[in-house]
Amino acid sequence: DAGVIQSPRHEVTEMGQEVTLRCKPISGHNSLFWYRQTMMRGLELLIYFNNNVPIDDSGMPEDRFSAKMPNASFSTLKIQPSEPRDSAVYFCASRPTGHNSPLHFGNGTRLTVT
Amino acid sequence: EDKVVQSPLSLVVHEGDTVTLNCSYEVTNFRSLLWYKQEKKAPTFLFMLTSSGIEKKSGRLSSILDKKELFSILNITATQTGDSAIYLCAVELTGNQFYFGTGTSLTVIP
Repeated sequence: DAGVIQSPRHEVTEMGQEVTLRCKPISGHNSLFWYRQTMMRGLELLIYFNNNVPIDDSGMPEDRFSAKMPNASFSTLKIQPSEPRDSAVYFCASRPTGHNSPLHFGNGTRLTVT
Repeated sequence: EDKVVQSPLSLVVHEGDTVTLNCSYEVTNFRSLLWYKQEKKAPTFLFMLTSSGIEKKSGRLSSILDKKELFSILNITATQTGDSAIYLCAVELTGNQFYFGTGTSLTVIP
């Protein structure tokens, strides 16, 4: 089991540029979550998908953020245009269906917007 | 508003000490409480607690949940430098929602 795979590991971009973060969940996990982690606010849920369908996107900060899950093995989080306040570590996590199953996290993407 | 509060925010101890980390919560539709350890990368799962009063144990780490008083503790005995990390508490609600506390940063000095 390769775990949740995220890319890139680090992203440095200039304000105004488009950023795309990628995630491959663990095979067989049908729920996928995107979190953002900052020192001030900790881990915040941005959006989650169940069976590739977005269920709750109330944590998405604003229209500059969008997420897709075109199939069970791939998801993207896009920020367009990016701003310095978007600088954070973005984590993807997945879990299988059913009770008593924890979230499994990827290693995150550290985004820096200058 | 659902919230998860961890204390202390940070802790510095010497190797061999015992530490207790706290997590309190105020949420609707509670399903379970989870503890994670985060070193430099991804949070890694430690425990999931669903029932009050039943201790979960893994080596030197143990945890227990009190659903009446709405809190959980994570104990680490005989701490080692490898225990240095941020420890995160999360509460799972019905509907596949997880809320995280801001974590306790533990530093173990040799």
